[in-house]
Amino acid sequence: TQLLEQSPQFLSIQEGENLTVYCNSSSVFSSLQWYRQEPGEGPVLLVTVVTGGEVKKLKRLTFQFGDARKDSSLHITAAQPGDTGLYLCAGAKGRDDKIIFGKGTRLHILP
Amino acid sequence: DTAVSQTPKYLVTQMGNDKSIKCEQNLGHDTMYWYKQDSKKFLKIMFSYNNKELIINETVPNRFSPKSPDKAHLNLHINSLELGDSAVYFCASSQGFGSRYNEQFFGPGTRLTVL
Repeated sequence: TQLLEQSPQFLSIQEGENLTVYCNSSSVFSSLQWYRQEPGEGPVLLVTVVTGGEVKKLKRLTFQFGDARKDSSLHITAAQPGDTGLYLCAGAKGRDDKIIFGKGTRLHILP
Repeated sequence: DTAVSQTPKYLVTQMGNDKSIKCEQNLGHDTMYWYKQDSKKFLKIMFSYNNKELIINETVPNRFSPKSPDKAHLNLHINSLELGDSAVYFCASSQGFGSRYNEQFFGPGTRLTVL
């Protein structure tokens, strides 16, 4: 059973367009993180959200944690080719706050 | 200065061999992890150590044995390598564990290919 479902799996759009990717679960998480991974490298943390309903902005990226702390979204405004990469969400749950990763959204921004 | 480093970057070996991957972090973090990322890019935790003590041990064949000589190092030894072990293995560290301390800092990965 995949605890964290990410959608879409793949997304290819033109530079300048807006997009939203989703991370959904039926489980409650104590926190949720978003990472970006580029080919041949390890994932790099973008943001952590902890409070239900929390919104965080990182330049053109807006992250939101669902009110019930079961889901999250990442919205990118005016996408740039440099935004290309694999976006992974990861939730912490359980007594030891184990990190569980979603399968990722592969984003490709066309110039 | 590299925060989390792994060696080797690439490892190509025959089935049945034994190999080790090394990881070091210079962030002063207490917790270190090993992850496996398969060909479909699914990242799955294998082990976690906090201050040299094993705290997470997922359902991983016992051919995989982690070792943490000190809190800055976490090595992974794999015995009797199988074709299905081919993957990218990532080491990561975090300040601690618990939702406010578990932001992961990843190494560059070790691409293991078993022939």
